[in-house]
Formats: sequence, structure tokens, C-alpha cells
Amino acid sequence: QSVLTQPPSVSGAPGQRVTISCTGSSSNIGAGYDVHWYQQLPGAAPKLLIYGNTNRPSGVPDRFSASKSGTSASLAITGLQAEDEADYYCQSYDSSLSGSVFGGGTKLTVL
Amino acid sequence: QLQLQESGPGLVKPSETLSLTCTVSGGSISRSNYYWGWIRQPPGKGLEWIGSIYYGGSTYYNPSLKSRVAVSVDTSKNQFSLKLSSVTAADTAVYYCGTHFWSGYPNHFDYWGQGTLVTVSS
Repeated sequence: QSVLTQPPSVSGAPGQRVTISCTGSSSNIGAGYDVHWYQQLPGAAPKLLIYGNTNRPSGVPDRFSASKSGTSASLAITGLQAEDEADYYCQSYDSSLSGSVFGGGTKLTVL
Repeated sequence: QLQLQESGPGLVKPSETLSLTCTVSGGSISRSNYYWGWIRQPPGKGLEWIGSIYYGGSTYYNPSLKSRVAVSVDTSKNQFSLKLSSVTAADTAVYYCGTHFWSGYPNHFDYWGQGTLVTVSS
């Protein structure tokens, strides 16, 4: 059972918009700690997609965006492409556990 | 461009100690405000942070693994290491090393190694 809760799977057709939620609690996201997002392609290491709630590292397309509100955060992908098919993870800090915590991951399928 | 590479045995017997090393290239392990950490991913499952260390030696660990984990750093070799004792089959996973910014608390992992699969089996 992950500290941060994500839907196990989401899907969308090419060109569509999908969102992935990440729900935490008052000891992590709700406490104001930053949320980060990673993309993990099949057989590869995770890659930083969004940091500090809304910031994209250099090279990440602006089709990827994220937001945070209260005890939750959300990743949005617009103009869905076949290459976006991957697992997506959120991450934050939990003050009760005094450490980094990850969501359980969401598998994105491009139909 | 920072690069990280994990190395170590791919097979460990139950009850023994898993030992991995992460070699950092393209930059110094002594970078200010950055910690060096270990993350694992059991087959078909999600990511779990294990523990992290600063080049000066400060460490912090996942409470669920703290009694079995030790992370150390060797700045002369630009390496840091993981030891996980008393392993069981549940410790079978791909182990990643990574680096994350510290701003009073741990932030995002911006660089990751490619990962190494460690299987616990007799």
C-alpha cells in the first residue's frame, strides 16, 4: 500500500488528453511538500518528467504539465502519442516517515 | 552530464547481505545540496526509496528498511554503496542509484542509473 495513491491504469486515444491523479495526506502533499513526476518506459529507468509541482526539465515536451492542490496532485498529458505509453509515478516527501515516498504508479495505454 | 552506474552481484542467497556500488561520472559526488540515494523496484511493482547519503556522510533511511540498511560514500572514488542485510526473496528487485536535491528535505531525483537486477535465491 503506497503512501501516495495513483490509479493503476489510464488510457486514451492518440491526440487526446489524459490526467493521472496522485492523492496524499496532510503529512506529505497536504503539508506543502513538492510533488515530482517520473516517466518509466518499458525496460528503462525512471526519467524525471516534472519537478517542484509544475516545472519541466529541459527537453520535456510542453504536452506534459502538472498541478497541485490540497492533498492531491495531477499530471496532464495532451496530444497523446504512442511514445507516451509508459508507467508514471509521483513522488513527494512524507514528514511522518521522514523520507521520500512514491505513488504506486499508473500505466498509461495509448489506444 | 552526470552519469551513474550500479554494479554488484546479480544473485544473493537468502539471509546473506546484498552489496551494490554506484559509480558517478561526469561530475563530483561532493556536489553541494545533493544527496545520493538508492531506490528499488520489485518485478512488476512500483518504486520504493531505500536510503540516501550526503557526501559528508549524513544518511537517512526508509523506516521500513532502516534496521537492515547501510549506505556509505567514498569521495575518493566518486562512489557510494548500499548494503542490505538478512535478505529474503522479497528483496528481489531492480536496484537503482540516483541523486536528488536537498532543500531542507529531499526533492526530485534528477539523475538515475540504469538499474541492476538482484535476485535473492538459494
